[in-house]
Amino acid sequence: EAQVTQNPRYLITVTGKKLTVTCSQNMNHEYMSWYRQDPGLGLRQIYYSMNVEVTDKGDVPEGYKVSRKEKRNFPLILESPSPNQTSLYFCASSSRQGAGNEQFFGPGTRLTVL
Amino acid sequence: GQSLEQPSEVTAVEGAIVQINCTYQTSGFYGLSWYQQHDGGAPTFLSYNGLDGLEETGRFSSFLSRSDSYGYLLLQELQMKDSASYFCAVRQAGTALIFGKGTTLSVSS
Repeated sequence: EAQVTQNPRYLITVTGKKLTVTCSQNMNHEYMSWYRQDPGLGLRQIYYSMNVEVTDKGDVPEGYKVSRKEKRNFPLILESPSPNQTSLYFCASSSRQGAGNEQFFGPGTRLTVL
Repeated sequence: GQSLEQPSEVTAVEGAIVQINCTYQTSGFYGLSWYQQHDGGAPTFLSYNGLDGLEETGRFSSFLSRSDSYGYLLLQELQMKDSASYFCAVRQAGTALIFGKGTTLSVSS
């Protein structure tokens, strides 16, 4: 089954404790991205990657890191989480970065930083 | 700045027709997409307009006017299961999608 998976689905952590949220897709998509969703703010892009070893900042990259060493994986790293990073995070992938491409979203990771 | 404006809430009854508008102001434009998101779920793709005009997919249609920086999603024969949030999104060169803040559609019987 074609899908985007994220782990963990739920995470409660404390300020300053490094964490990684994994994202993997099995559709051989070149393009992957991370979004955060907060009430009233919609989905905001954190980072995106157009292919292996190619990443770039989105609208809200502060406090996050990403890497794209393999085509299928695009982990999101929070080196020193803070309470304002409490949010719902979605990973997404698509077959090309261009007009009309459908983005496939993972199930989401709900992160709480205390 | 860049912005996408859509109504925050819309209510309708089963069987009715609803139109959700989206106006955008962005530095680049490669097309307008619509996504649906049910409570607690992931966004799912509904439609895309790269050129002016109407695109129809079953009960859902989407329209784009690039000269007016405006589009809409039209939902016909509303069903209870259509209760969800709907997001318009603009694709820009070199970046991913820029999403609007979403419209919550409530369908009642």
